[in-house]
Amino acid sequence: GAGVSQSPSNKVTEKGKDVELRCDPISGHTALYWYRQRLGQGLEFLIYFQGNSAPDKSGLPSDRFSAERTGESVSTLTIQRTQQEDSAVYLCASSLARGGTDTQYFGPGTRLTVL
Amino acid sequence: QQQVKQSPQSLIVQKGGISIINCAYENTAFDYFPWYQQFPGKGPALLIAIRPDVSEKKEGRFTISFNKSAKQFSLHIMDSQPGDSATYFCAAKIASYGKLTFGQGTILTVHP
Repeated sequence: GAGVSQSPSNKVTEKGKDVELRCDPISGHTALYWYRQRLGQGLEFLIYFQGNSAPDKSGLPSDRFSAERTGESVSTLTIQRTQQEDSAVYLCASSLARGGTDTQYFGPGTRLTVL
Repeated sequence: QQQVKQSPQSLIVQKGGISIINCAYENTAFDYFPWYQQFPGKGPALLIAIRPDVSEKKEGRFTISFNKSAKQFSLHIMDSQPGDSATYFCAAKIASYGKLTFGQGTILTVHP
């Protein structure tokens, strides 16, 4: 079946603009995660959803970052008033459930460049 | 706070050689340790994972060694192939929680 998809694949924006990044998880996966990958760095956790609630938002770096999820489907990550330090690849992952050792399946990411 | 430290940052190995990547963690509550493989332009994909109740797990050419007392674990790639050239990330998780905590990654290059 289809994997995790993300759109757009690339986004170039000007400092101060708002951006919306989209994630379509694997059908049936109740858990959804957002991570950020800066150049040459490991992945940083941002937020995770169980269904449409977000029990862990601890990784969101500032109140400019927000995310929502519709049911057990699409999620959008919104960055308001973008800054140059927001430039990174934003990765979405989904898994069958939150707990245990369920594999997190990653999408290809959205590369965000803030000029 | 960097909870998972990974080394080396980059590694060059000849075809047929053994690639070894090491990770150390701080949080003793971690109880699930996966390794992910990432090719350029792709998202990371699970390669192999281990729970701390075993000291070693092998899948094909890939082996995880785990040392609970030292809070360290490592990935060994036997008979390394050019197709193994990728970035490898170790990670750790508290199994009852959602998020993975990742190491900084190792860029592996296998020369033919």
